[in-house]
Amino acid sequence: GQQVQQSPSSLVLQEGENAELQCNFSSTATQLQWFYQSPGGSLVSLLSNPSGTKHTGRLTSTTVTKERRSSLHISSSQTTDSGTYLCAIPDNNAGAKLTFGGGTRLTVRP
Amino acid sequence: ETAVFQTPNYHVTQVGNEVSFNCKQTLGHDTMYWYKQDSKKLLKIMFSYNNKQLIVNETVPRRFSPQSSDKAHLNLRIKSVEPEDSAVYLCASSAGTGGRQNTLYFGAGTRLSVL
Repeated sequence: GQQVQQSPSSLVLQEGENAELQCNFSSTATQLQWFYQSPGGSLVSLLSNPSGTKHTGRLTSTTVTKERRSSLHISSSQTTDSGTYLCAIPDNNAGAKLTFGGGTRLTVRP
Repeated sequence: ETAVFQTPNYHVTQVGNEVSFNCKQTLGHDTMYWYKQDSKKLLKIMFSYNNKQLIVNETVPRRFSPQSSDKAHLNLRIKSVEPEDSAVYLCASSAGTGGRQNTLYFGAGTRLSVL
């Protein structure tokens, strides 16, 4: 099955700095989703990016499918960006089954 | 705006008891899921239903059983809970099961503590 590795596992920034999060996966992916989980636990989808580059607000995701990697760039970080960022990819044999990475815990200090 | 609703938010119980968690989605999606998130924040799928049919059933103990009355509801029952069942249980839905339809929308989760 699919394996997903995220790095770094944790990251501490000062407000205003940029963040670069990485996601590597073991098999070709037809879909890739980035999630944000708040410290309180609620999980929300940030964007879906199976290939190429996508922007939404201060977030930019770049996925290079043939290299089996994706990145999430957060520009001008804010304290409210603190939380865990998760990358998820469907299993090739069971598209309904998403495999999640271990996440990057981001802390943005004022 | 939350469109996947889970109840209860928290549940504390003792070893051996039975618990039930409810999940409802108002997105009109065909597929629903239960994920378990452990203390290390690792998310693992447990079950997935598409139009009331079970399509993913990971290796979970038999005391876990999903129940789907219609495609908008997917409940989870745990018979005789064990300490290792303490976790956050997250319900999710998606429009379909592949490609872009696989974008997941999550509920707020149910935190289970087994004493």
